[in-house]
Amino acid sequence: DGGITQSPKYLFRKEGQNVTLSCEQNLNHDAMYWYRQDPGQGLRLIYYSQIVNDFQKGDIAEGYSVSREKKESFPLTVTSAQKNPTAFYLCASSTDRGSYTFGSGTRLTVV
Amino acid sequence: SQQGEEDPQALSIQEGENATMNCSYKTSINNLQWYRQNSGRGLVHLILIRSNEREKHSGRLRVTLDTSKKSSSLLITASRAADTASYFCATDATTDSWGKLQFGAGTQVVVTP
Repeated sequence: DGGITQSPKYLFRKEGQNVTLSCEQNLNHDAMYWYRQDPGQGLRLIYYSQIVNDFQKGDIAEGYSVSREKKESFPLTVTSAQKNPTAFYLCASSTDRGSYTFGSGTRLTVV
Repeated sequence: SQQGEEDPQALSIQEGENATMNCSYKTSINNLQWYRQNSGRGLVHLILIRSNEREKHSGRLRVTLDTSKKSSSLLITASRAADTASYFCATDATTDSWGKLQFGAGTQVVVTP
């Protein structure tokens, strides 16, 4: 079955540590996205990529980095520069102007 | 900034009743989409309505779009306890060359048996 897989489901980060969230899709979608969701709020766009080897900053890119070396994969690194990283992170993919398919999310907590 | 704003923020109804939630947005759009999110899970796509469409149905869901008022509504008929979730509208603005969605803050719906 086609879909989008995020891992891990739960992640704990120590202060000053970088962590990487995985996102893989087998839908053959060109575009992939990373969103952050805080409790009781909507989704805010971190980064997006419309094609391999290219990506763009979203509304809240500071403290995050991404890569898009393969069409299927769009990992997100939360760096130590992100001062408030505790949140629910959602990855999605889509075709041009189509609906999004979302992963099941990664909950990141700073300990 | 978020493009869409849902109203109400929260809605509590009993099984069998209808639930209506609204979405307002600010700029011209190519399409508007509604998504559902169960607690702690990813979002699931419900309906996409294009700017030249006024109404769309999918099962117990009915979506309307009024581009002159920059607003949309989602109606869930004959609600069930399983409809308990948060519902988000998302807009694909014409100013965006690709179709990057902007999401609202959502309406939290609770359906009690």
